[in-house]
Amino acid sequence: GNSVTQMEGPVTLSEEAFLTINCTYTATGYPSLFWYVQYPGEGLQLLLKATKADDKGSNKGFEATYRKETTSFHLEKGSVQVSDSAVYFCALSDRTSGTYKYIFGTGTRLKVLA
Amino acid sequence: DAGVIQSPRHEVTEMGQEVTLRCKPISGHDYLFWYRQTMMRGLELLIYFNNNVPIDDSGMPEDRFSAKMPNASFSTLKIQPSEPRDSAVYFCASSLSASGVYEQYFGPGTRLTVT
Repeated sequence: GNSVTQMEGPVTLSEEAFLTINCTYTATGYPSLFWYVQYPGEGLQLLLKATKADDKGSNKGFEATYRKETTSFHLEKGSVQVSDSAVYFCALSDRTSGTYKYIFGTGTRLKVLA
Repeated sequence: DAGVIQSPRHEVTEMGQEVTLRCKPISGHDYLFWYRQTMMRGLELLIYFNNNVPIDDSGMPEDRFSAKMPNASFSTLKIQPSEPRDSAVYFCASSLSASGVYEQYFGPGTRLTVT
């Protein structure tokens, strides 16, 4: 079946540090991949997406590349800010399997210190 | 444009009481999802609808939980009777199949506390 594995958190970084949050997946079809962000007390917000192999999603300085050969979709940002402190979720949607459910990772909490 | 709207934002109730959570999806979206989030279990999909029809309710914990979508602009999640272990944040999300990508848009959530 389909699954998503995220690195365990929390991740604590100093402001302006480089961020990588690892995400790998297994899927029987051709999934779309997503990163969502959840700020304290809020719902999940779509951060970026990629729908096919080698696509790069980007938004607000965050990037992730859909790597089919390594079944990965790692989230990166070159210089984090305190305001990036949140929980980040990797997710896939495998509509070719006939279901439109998301499979979410467990989330990775990021804390950025000033 | 208005996003997904949920009400109430906070609900505190006593064990045994009926609780109804409400959701208004983004206009024109044809998929609606109900999730539950807890520290212990993370984010769980409870049920989802397509064009107001329930498609998969395998995540509904037990018969105390029920969900309806009487029309394209409204859905409810009901818990009767409520128990302390139902305390969680409940999210509603909607998506548009015509986009081809099925990205989901989440509401702000309802924080339920059952005492």
